[in-house]
Amino acid sequence: AQRVTQPEKLLSVFKGAPVELKCNYSYSGSPELFWYVQYSRQRLQLLLRHISRESIKGFTADLNKGETSFHLKKPFAQEEDSAMYYCALNLGTYKYIFGTGTRLKVLA
Amino acid sequence: GAVVSQHPSRVICKSGTSVKIECRSLDFQATTMFWYRQFPKKSLMLMATSNEGSKATYEQGVEKDKFLINHASLTLSTLTVTSAHPEDSSFYICSAQGWQGKRDEQYFGPGTRLTVT
Repeated sequence: AQRVTQPEKLLSVFKGAPVELKCNYSYSGSPELFWYVQYSRQRLQLLLRHISRESIKGFTADLNKGETSFHLKKPFAQEEDSAMYYCALNLGTYKYIFGTGTRLKVLA
Repeated sequence: GAVVSQHPSRVICKSGTSVKIECRSLDFQATTMFWYRQFPKKSLMLMATSNEGSKATYEQGVEKDKFLINHASLTLSTLTVTSAHPEDSSFYICSAQGWQGKRDEQYFGPGTRLTVT
């Protein structure tokens, strides 16, 4: 069955420390993966998508098909990165599956 | 940038009544609109996908007669919760997907908090 797993509900790191938000997926087809972010009192918005291979706000994510993972990483966390992060899988038929989300808290 | 609005942002209704939530793409034409439900401390659950002029595709376990979706135009989709019950209280989020330049992205509305008393 198709599934997106974000094992951590809450991740707290100190400012300047590296951060990695984990995402694993289960999908037999060719996956298209995204990270969405929701800052406090704001709507959900796209952070990055794996096919773009871009770095947004210092975040990167690499699709590892062998490990079926799409972890989100940033070398130096900033306080403004504190938000809720969702990993999502597009099944290619206008159907998206979201993970349960990870709340990132960056401590001063 | 692409903007998606939802109206109302909050609604309180009595059990047994129906409530309509509108989702509009303000500055682009949405080929597809999605309706999600977000439970406290849980993920977004896709309820249905709708394309303009055609019937919505509902996810398994979502009652189509209870959650009526009408995608009247390329910029408007509505979700009507019929005969609402307290267990329907939730945060409903819509998103719209359309072409922005070369990218076909999903843009989210701010959500609607429904409370059924």
